[in-house]
Amino acid sequence: QSALTQPASVSGSPGQSITISCTAANTTIDYSVSVSWYQQHPGKVPKLIIYDVRSRPSGVSHRFSGSNSDNTASLTISGLQAEDEALYYCSLYSHSTTLVVFGGGTKLTVV
Amino acid sequence: QVQLVQSGSELKKPGASVKASCKAYGYNFTKYAVNWVRQAPGQGLEWMGWINTKTGNPTYAQGFTGRFVFSLDTSVSTTYLQINGLQAEDTAIYYCARDFSDGEYPGGVWGQGTQVTVSA
Repeated sequence: QSALTQPASVSGSPGQSITISCTAANTTIDYSVSVSWYQQHPGKVPKLIIYDVRSRPSGVSHRFSGSNSDNTASLTISGLQAEDEALYYCSLYSHSTTLVVFGGGTKLTVV
Repeated sequence: QVQLVQSGSELKKPGASVKASCKAYGYNFTKYAVNWVRQAPGQGLEWMGWINTKTGNPTYAQGFTGRFVFSLDTSVSTTYLQINGLQAEDTAIYYCARDFSDGEYPGGVWGQGTQVTVSA
């Protein structure tokens, strides 16, 4: 199963935009895989914020958006707010192998 | 509403076994697979595998073969995670999560987690 690499940490100021990358080793992010993003606050259950690369569940702020290019998926958070400070994980599901892998997680600090 | 409800915290001694449960509410249980995800203290999310709720066939991720067993009881819409020969390194929160490939929001339904602590 392909490994997913995320930066360990990113930071931004309130109102700014940040982007977190998720790079898949030896895998092109296309129709054959599904990439999702999760937000996890300390002591809480991971929350789905993006699925199928760029789709947003009902109730998730429009400030969260997803995109992809070749083997890298990205999560962009615009108009940073203090409540966005959390851990963010990407995941990849392969439709051919039915296997899932998570990235190592990125700690977002809003300074 | 649609939810997964997990069993409570467990404290076990090394070498013992534990069986955590994950009960589904609000949807057709056999329509979606159930995944298991481990999160060790201060660590990231680690996918353990999934179980086909129609057939009961499990798929295990690398590193989770042998001591880890997924099972289910469709009569009570519940899946189970059993860990045998517990080791200190098994101390973690174990989450169940609904299908990562299907549903209105794939991967969007998670249980609240079961804390398993292994200590002598």
